[in-house]
Amino acid sequence: DAKTTQPTSMDCAEGRAANLPCNHSTISGNEYVYWYRQIHSQGPQYIIHGLKNNETNEMASLIITEDRKSSTLILPHATLRDTAVYYCIVRSPWRSSASKIIFGSGTRLSIRP
Amino acid sequence: EPEVTQTPSHQVTQMGQEVILRCVPISNHLYFYWYRQILGQKVEFLVSFYNNEISEKSEIFDDQFSVERPDGSNFTLKIRSTKLEDSAMYFCATATIRLGQVNHEQYFGPGTRLTVT
Repeated sequence: DAKTTQPTSMDCAEGRAANLPCNHSTISGNEYVYWYRQIHSQGPQYIIHGLKNNETNEMASLIITEDRKSSTLILPHATLRDTAVYYCIVRSPWRSSASKIIFGSGTRLSIRP
Repeated sequence: EPEVTQTPSHQVTQMGQEVILRCVPISNHLYFYWYRQILGQKVEFLVSFYNNEISEKSEIFDDQFSVERPDGSNFTLKIRSTKLEDSAMYFCATATIRLGQVNHEQYFGPGTRLTVT
């Protein structure tokens, strides 16, 4: 799986948009970009994924650059409950290849009141 | 929303003892995983399991570890002879399969905290 690079930590004011960047310059054509988060002492939680188009769901938006070498996760109106470690992961979901998730160190996002 | 459940939430055991960690997957999920997280460290993949056999395992998953789905519902991780360094949070995760592709989303359980003394 391609390696990703994320800032170690970020903070954001409550109610503002949190923009979390991720670099994945070695991503290959069949690999997707995934975002998970881990709230303290809980299991990781899936947020969103994308291949090349921008994606939006009820939790977040995912913006992928045209060359697919980087992406940004956007939490549009951050709340205190969004304080967590956010993981950007690049992997292929095909069963014939490893479907495991390789977690990096992620970005520790702190939301301040 | 359906959830993955894990029992026990916390297990304390003495070094050398056997432990079995249990996971109840979401009902229509067919792909199962175990991950672990040592305190303050990254989440690490241990093993994936599909169609009653191991699909992939990491270097961590040595002969002391085993997995099975004994009754078609529970998915278990057994550590045969625990060591101090096995102390960690153990997370079960499950996923569906559609058209040969493991579904994008893995659902994680709340974890079992294993403490080996």
